[in-house]
Amino acid sequence: ILNVEQSPQSLHVQEGDSTNFTCSFPSSNFYALHWYRWETAKSPEALFVMTLNGDEKKKGRISATLNTKEGYSYLYIKGSQPEDSATYLCAFKGGSQGNLIFGKGTKLSVKP
Amino acid sequence: GEEVAQTPKHLVRGEGQKAKLYCAPIKGHSYVFWYQQVLKNEFKFLISFQNENVFDETGMPKERFSAKCLPNSPCSLEIQATKLEDSAVYFCASSPSTGYSNQPQHFGDGTRLSIL
Repeated sequence: ILNVEQSPQSLHVQEGDSTNFTCSFPSSNFYALHWYRWETAKSPEALFVMTLNGDEKKKGRISATLNTKEGYSYLYIKGSQPEDSATYLCAFKGGSQGNLIFGKGTKLSVKP
Repeated sequence: GEEVAQTPKHLVRGEGQKAKLYCAPIKGHSYVFWYQQVLKNEFKFLISFQNENVFDETGMPKERFSAKCLPNSPCSLEIQATKLEDSAVYFCASSPSTGYSNQPQHFGDGTRLSIL
C-alpha cells in the first residue's frame, strides 16, 4: 500500500509569518508530485507539478522543493496572508500511467 | 466550457436508494477522473476515462458503483443501493490529452452526497 503523509495536519500562523509544510511519499517508482490548494466547498486548484529531483518551483509567494531520493517535498509560503488560508494537498504519481495518491492535506489558517 | 462542472452540488438519498452524479469536463480534455473524499480523509481515486473508454478502474468498489463517459454527454457516476458509508464528497477532474502524465488535473467543485 502506497502512503502519502502530510505534516502538520493543521497550522495556525499570524499574517506576515512565513511557513512551510511537508509531504512524504514513496521514493520508489516516482513519476510526479502534485500540489493543490483547496478551499472547502470549492474546487482544488493546481499549484505545481514536480517531476525532477531537486526541482524548485515558485508561484508568487508560494514555492516548493522536491527530493525524490528521500521521498519528500516542502511547500513554503512567504509572508502569509489571510487569503492563503486553505488546505494544501499533495499527491504522488507512481509511474506514467499511475493514479494520483493524495495525502490528507495540511490545513493552514492565517490570522489577520 | 472552461471549468469542470459537477451536478448536483448536494444530493440527499435514503439508504438503499440510487444516486447519480454528473460531470462535464473542460472542453478538449480527454481524461476524466473520479475521486471520493470521505469526511477529513484523503481523496481516494475511483476510476478514470480516456474519452469514453475506461482507463483505470482499480479504485472502483466491485459492487454498486458504476461510471460512464458517453460522447456528447456529461460523464456520470452511479451508486446503486446506497449505504451510509457512501456519504462523501465526490470530485471529478479532467486533464488534456497531450502530456497527460505531467499535466495537473482540473477539479470541479464536487458533489456532496448525504445518505440518510
